Amino acid sequence: DSGVTQTPKHLITATGQRVTLRCSPRSGDLSVYWYQQSLDQGLQFLIQYYNGEERAKGNILERFSAQQFPDLHSELNLSSLELGDSALYFCASSAQGMNTEAFFGQGTRLTVV
Amino acid sequence: AQTVTQSQPEMSVQEAETVTLSCTYDTSESNYYLFWYKQPPSRQMILVIRQEAYKQQNATENRFSVNFQKAAKSFSLKISDSQLGDTAMYFCAFTTNAGGTSYGKLTFGQGTILTVHP
Repeated sequence: DSGVTQTPKHLITATGQRVTLRCSPRSGDLSVYWYQQSLDQGLQFLIQYYNGEERAKGNILERFSAQQFPDLHSELNLSSLELGDSALYFCASSAQGMNTEAFFGQGTRLTVV
Repeated sequence: AQTVTQSQPEMSVQEAETVTLSCTYDTSESNYYLFWYKQPPSRQMILVIRQEAYKQQNATENRFSVNFQKAAKSFSLKISDSQLGDTAMYFCAFTTNAGGTSYGKLTFGQGTILTVHP
């Protein structure tokens, strides 16, 4: 158990809909990262939050947004969903500073039908 | 921009044998970390081993060791005494603290599917 909790584990929704994925980081970790794993794009970094503020952005679509709340949990919002958004979405957390590794949650499997 | 390349989409090995997975990367940074992650069928991303670029000594973790060639920008993973439980997708990953974003922002390779046969 990495200590990072993601909910839900599975999500099936229709095209055009909006969903919210939730992540609770390890206790004490201030940084949260979101990754997307798909067959055609592989594992891609989407966005990072540090202590409530956006810190880095990767290949995140404009239809996607994220936030980190005062209790440090994070949510990834995916809207106007398309079939191509079907993927495994990972959250990871890390402590700030040198020699820190990212601990991954078990992922949310999103299927858009 | 950093890139990570794994040129072996699939590998197989017999139980108890040794296998080496290849990874090359490209960066202009001098201070960085390299990782190998394992993703078994459960989908969980599990850190296998980590190498700091400033360390010349190759990292080892039990049956797992790396061959880090900084000048060649090569970072291979050797698995000794392979076990059935080693069957998984293995990802090479790179991170740097450029810009002070901390080390959790990872660039991954495409992955190598390793199958260990009994």
